[in-house]
Amino acid sequence: QVTLRESGPALVKPTQTLTLTCSFSGFSLSTSGMSVSWIRQPPGKALEWLARIDWDGDEYYRTSLRTRLTISKDTSKNQVVLTLTNMDPVDTATYYCTRTILANPIAYFDSWGQGALVTVSS
Amino acid sequence: QSALTQPPSVSGTPGQRVSISCFGTISNIGAYTTNWYQQLPGKAPRLLIYSDNVRPSGVPDRFSGSKSGTSSSLAISGLQSEDEADYYCAGWDDTLNGLVFGGGTSLTVL
Repeated sequence: QVTLRESGPALVKPTQTLTLTCSFSGFSLSTSGMSVSWIRQPPGKALEWLARIDWDGDEYYRTSLRTRLTISKDTSKNQVVLTLTNMDPVDTATYYCTRTILANPIAYFDSWGQGALVTVSS
Repeated sequence: QSALTQPPSVSGTPGQRVSISCFGTISNIGAYTTNWYQQLPGKAPRLLIYSDNVRPSGVPDRFSGSKSGTSSSLAISGLQSEDEADYYCAGWDDTLNGLVFGGGTSLTVL
């Protein structure tokens, strides 16, 4: 059974850096074709893909947030970490981590964490 | 403004068949497959359809996906009250060089 859980601060101040950790079980990020992605959803709004890290270490980022985002993995701990710098109130959202299957031609998100609500406010 | 366009809302009565459209361009739907996600109220999204028309294990066959040119569709037959949710299409976009979601469609079962 695949499970994912997001953890991190519920409240951050403007200009601070957000660090979120995705802890997962039921699969290995060292397996070919496996990946983990982060997706966020502002309150009442649509889903927004942020970043992805693949089993081989390749990283992909949302173009508009590329300069602020970093994704990394610790395969031995079954964790993926997302950092988002210079937080702004518009970054207030529920952040989801997902297991991502690298299908041909595009990836899909077949398992989702419960989500972590992050509020940006002074 | 999302690269993929969905109607904000659709509705139907129990037992009815409804369809949700997802309009794109040659740089996204026209070039790649479409995935669909269901988000029940207050819950995380769930994969419903991938690669245009493939249902993951556990998804009822009442849900089906199709694609024609630069648009994709999700059809739900035998509508049930528990189908009331938000539905999102998703695909890769060459222009944005990233994965994109549609704006979401809220399904109401009357």
